[in-house]
Amino acid sequence: GAGVSQSPSNKVTEKGKDVELRCDPISGHTALYWYRQSLGQGLEFLIYFQGNSAPDKSGLPSDRFSAERTGGSVSTLTIQRTQQEDSAVYLCASSFQGSNYGYTFGSGTRLTVV
Amino acid sequence: AQSVTQLGSHVSVSEGALVLLRCNYSSSVPPYLFWYVQYPNQGLQLLLKYTTGATLVKGINGFEAEFKKSETSFHLTKPSAHMSDAAEYFCAVSTGTASKLTFGTGTRLQVTL
Repeated sequence: GAGVSQSPSNKVTEKGKDVELRCDPISGHTALYWYRQSLGQGLEFLIYFQGNSAPDKSGLPSDRFSAERTGGSVSTLTIQRTQQEDSAVYLCASSFQGSNYGYTFGSGTRLTVV
Repeated sequence: AQSVTQLGSHVSVSEGALVLLRCNYSSSVPPYLFWYVQYPNQGLQLLLKYTTGATLVKGINGFEAEFKKSETSFHLTKPSAHMSDAAEYFCAVSTGTASKLTFGTGTRLQVTL
């Protein structure tokens, strides 16, 4: 596609429920990244995928968070048993081959846990 | 490890005044440096980037930044602020294609009449 597409744009969920956030990167971009942006905070790195390499999961805050990337394209970030502190904007970005080229960001998914 | 420090979480300037947003980085290898802008309820948009070569980098919307290795800085400037420049600005550093961008905490720019 022309840009990075994220869905849903907004998600309200009850504490304890699981949620799935989707990211559709730019076609041909081999690298895909997830970040979290909380109110008043910077961008917190979560996970990144590069081609067929094992993903860098070093930023995932707990084992409730997981992500997969199918077929080198679409990625899904899953948060299990959501907590109120998970409320944030989740941003996905893709890049042609890696971070030195810069990222193209999606518009984000605003997650609210009530 | 790489890191980015943005001095000033909020900066206010008058329309027509100089914009200066500060960014300092820490990196053990030659860095790649970026500035992104985020308008309300939108994702981040690349303003400009420094990879190698010329240390003064020009970006979109009249912004530019200068890489100063001796000062480990990459400050963002614009000679004359416009109301439409009001947004949040993020500085970021990368130290390799196989790494990820590390972002600063952002600076919110307010432009007043």
